[in-house]
Amino acid sequence: TQLLEQSPQFLSIQEGENLTVYCNSSSVFSSLQWYRQEPGEGPVLLVTVVTGGEVKKLKRLTFQFGDARKDSSLHITAAQPGDTGLYLCAGERAGSYQLTFGKGTKLSVIP
Amino acid sequence: EAGVAQSPRYKIIEKRQSVAFWCNPISGHATLYWYQQILGQGPKLLIQFQNNGVVDDSQLPKDRFSAERLKGVDSTLKIQPAKLEDSAVYLCASSLVTGGHPYEQYFGPGTRLTVT
Repeated sequence: TQLLEQSPQFLSIQEGENLTVYCNSSSVFSSLQWYRQEPGEGPVLLVTVVTGGEVKKLKRLTFQFGDARKDSSLHITAAQPGDTGLYLCAGERAGSYQLTFGKGTKLSVIP
Repeated sequence: EAGVAQSPRYKIIEKRQSVAFWCNPISGHATLYWYQQILGQGPKLLIQFQNNGVVDDSQLPKDRFSAERLKGVDSTLKIQPAKLEDSAVYLCASSLVTGGHPYEQYFGPGTRLTVT
């Protein structure tokens, strides 16, 4: 069973602060996706990373895929209350067309 | 482009009753997934369809859960009889599986089930 460990599990910060959340595994994934889920809603896809070492930016969010494609990080610059939500990472085993999800990081940004 | 549609959004039933959830995937998406998300956890795959065939149902509790995808479009997930531990959000997702990457899944809003 491939597990994705996300840390921290909970994070509460003030508006304007920077933060990084992590997604780690002992297994190699062909791609990794980050989702944000708000209460009462389904996960919304933020980004997909495919290449080891790849860095993608989405406004104030920066995503990095580890060189060995076993881990990933999400960095948020100058967090805003609208960033509040559950951040989920999910990895795809090559050719499976399935995702294995981590338990998520619950982020609260306080105005 | 319309997203993944699910209904109902909320359902409250008593244990031992039955319940059904409906999902309409994004048009053209051949692969459809049902997930169970318990509070504080990530989504857990229950079943994966490719068109109207089952690809993987290894984590579906088949003594009480069933799912079908007639005609390869809409899908229904049924629980009969429900147990207290079935209280969760049931998510439907779809993907356009092609030969190349990236592979991505798109989720519906989910159905929140409460079993009392």
